[in-house]
Amino acid sequence: QSALTQPPSASGSPGQSVTISCTGTSSDVGGYNYVSWYQQHPGKAPKLIISEVNKRPSGVPDRFSGSKSGNTASLTVSGLQAEDEADYYCNSYAGRDNLIFGGGTKLTVL
Amino acid sequence: EVQLVESGGGLVQPGGSLRLSCAASGFTVSDINMNWVRQAPGKGLEWVSVIYSGGDTHYADSVKGRFIISRDKAKNTLYLQMNSLRPEDTAVYYCSRKFYGMDVWGQGTTVTVSS
Repeated sequence: QSALTQPPSASGSPGQSVTISCTGTSSDVGGYNYVSWYQQHPGKAPKLIISEVNKRPSGVPDRFSGSKSGNTASLTVSGLQAEDEADYYCNSYAGRDNLIFGGGTKLTVL
Repeated sequence: EVQLVESGGGLVQPGGSLRLSCAASGFTVSDINMNWVRQAPGKGLEWVSVIYSGGDTHYADSVKGRFIISRDKAKNTLYLQMNSLRPEDTAVYYCSRKFYGMDVWGQGTTVTVSS
């Protein structure tokens, strides 16, 4: 099964908003509301920032939001801050007890 | 404090075996779905395996038949037995909690498969 498609890079200036897309198929992203997003800083473990398309775990700033339309999920980071610079990965349930990740997007804060 | 700590990584020759451990604190591993996720050097995340709270296990196609996930309730520890290792299994291996939205991750343990 192929990885979900994410843009390799994204960027924005402090205070701006950036949206990262995650495209799959009707067998994964489009078929289930089990899309999650993870933030990973260099040398660190991933951190859950969005679960089940748009649910934000406790402690995650409300600057992070998630959505889905058809086979594409999106992560929006509003009011960009320097500490948001990291790699971001989407993840979806793909049926038959399998999970699939996106290839990752490197977010640069200019 | 809820925490996961992996161990057991190292250098192994192709065809060899290794067992990774993931010690949990602050919760019971047998009460919740637990995963292994790996990340090859400079690459993205790849889901490897899950063990459900009920005991069912599932694997990515890339490791099916070679890796075995298990847990020890008394030791509150998750394991990954890796057999017939290949160079492409070289990665940092993370254990994580929950299936839909992995909310707790360990710091990772590095596995290198090379002759």
